Amino acid sequence: GAGVSQSPRYKVAKRGQDVALRCDPISGHVSLFWYQQALGQGPEFLTYFQNEAQLDKSGLPSDRFFAERPEGSVSTLKIQRTQQEDSAVYLCASSLVGPGLAGGYEQYFGPGTRLTVT
Amino acid sequence: GNSVTQMEGPVTLSEEAFLTINCTYTATGYPSLFWYVQYPGEGLQLLLKATKADDKGSNKGFEATYRKETTSFHLEKGSVQVSDSAVYFCALSDNTNAGKSTFGDGTTLTVKP
Repeated sequence: GAGVSQSPRYKVAKRGQDVALRCDPISGHVSLFWYQQALGQGPEFLTYFQNEAQLDKSGLPSDRFFAERPEGSVSTLKIQRTQQEDSAVYLCASSLVGPGLAGGYEQYFGPGTRLTVT
Repeated sequence: GNSVTQMEGPVTLSEEAFLTINCTYTATGYPSLFWYVQYPGEGLQLLLKATKADDKGSNKGFEATYRKETTSFHLEKGSVQVSDSAVYFCALSDNTNAGKSTFGDGTTLTVKP
């Protein structure tokens, strides 16, 4: 089946604008993760959903960042009043099962959305 | 907290050379360990994984062994090809904390013919 898709692939926003980034996980995947990847660095955890429940949002850098997954499938990451330091690639990943099962943490990544704030 | 440290790059090798990319980790509990690969213009893909101590993950000629005593998960390949040129990320997943992953900063490998 299709992999994880993200849209848009590229987004340029002026400082102060709001943006919304979409993630379509693999059908049937229970867990969904958002990561932020700065240039030359590895992905850093932002938030995690199990179905529609947001179980961990400890990585969100400020209250300008908000994520939702209302029906337990598609997820949206919203950034309000964007700042230049928000420029990064935002990665979405999904996983078939939640914690507690051996080997259950393989995550499938989307291609990412490259956000540039000018 | 959890952390992953991997060998700084970039690494440049000739085709058929032996590859080692070092990775060490710090974690509470018993994490699962992963290597992901990102080819130019593509997203992250899982290369291999190991879920407990002494497990060996392998795929496409790459191998890595989960060494709890040295908290390491070094990636090796006996004979690299030009098509292996990519960025390699070592990662751990904390089995006690929702499975969220912690990544190293990546190592860029370039293989020359």
